[in-house]
Amino acid sequence: AQSVSQHNHHVILSEAASLELGCNYSYGGTVNLFWYVQYPGQHLQLLLKYFSGDPLVKGIKGFEAEFIKSKFSFNLRKPSVQWSDTAEYFCAVSRPDSWGKLQFGAGTQVVVTP
Amino acid sequence: NAGVTQTPKFQVLKTGQSMTLQCAQDMNHEYMSWYRQDPGMGLRLIHYSVGAGITDQGEVPNGYNVSRSTTEDFPLRLLSAAPSQTSVYFCASSYDREGMNTEAFFGQGTRLTVV
Repeated sequence: AQSVSQHNHHVILSEAASLELGCNYSYGGTVNLFWYVQYPGQHLQLLLKYFSGDPLVKGIKGFEAEFIKSKFSFNLRKPSVQWSDTAEYFCAVSRPDSWGKLQFGAGTQVVVTP
Repeated sequence: NAGVTQTPKFQVLKTGQSMTLQCAQDMNHEYMSWYRQDPGMGLRLIHYSVGAGITDQGEVPNGYNVSRSTTEDFPLRLLSAAPSQTSVYFCASSYDREGMNTEAFFGQGTRLTVV
């Protein structure tokens, strides 16, 4: 079965530390890749997306992600986190012809301490 | 431009009761989906629609019905609520650009508790 795996379920780090969240998927062929963020009590918001082209993608709030096709990975990074980055982060995958359907990872809860 | 609007935001149901979660989008998106979010499981697709009059099942459709009579609206019906349906429900919409899916836009969610 096709799946999306996020390696860390819970991450705690201090402000100014660097963050990297892993995401691997099992789909073959062309995929669209997304990272969504969910701040406490809020809905999902798009951080960044990859459809094609440059595998290093920059998103909002200083986040970036790198698509490595050979590793089926789409890891999220931020060089220096802030307390306001405390949230749950979801990796999601879709096929270009999947009528908007997304397959999500289990999510990673990130807590940034002051 | 409101985007994707879900109502209600919170709901408590008794086992066996039925209800409808409302979802409306004003972006003229052709695709709409319902997901449920449970701790440690991410979001799982319940049902989706590719246009008015066309719906299909997702990963976890049992106990839920949908219909799509207009482009804007995509209600989710719980036929006979069960405690296992306690969850947060998200509606999403998206569209194609140049023949490929774009990102999904999510509503604010409905937190449902079945007692």
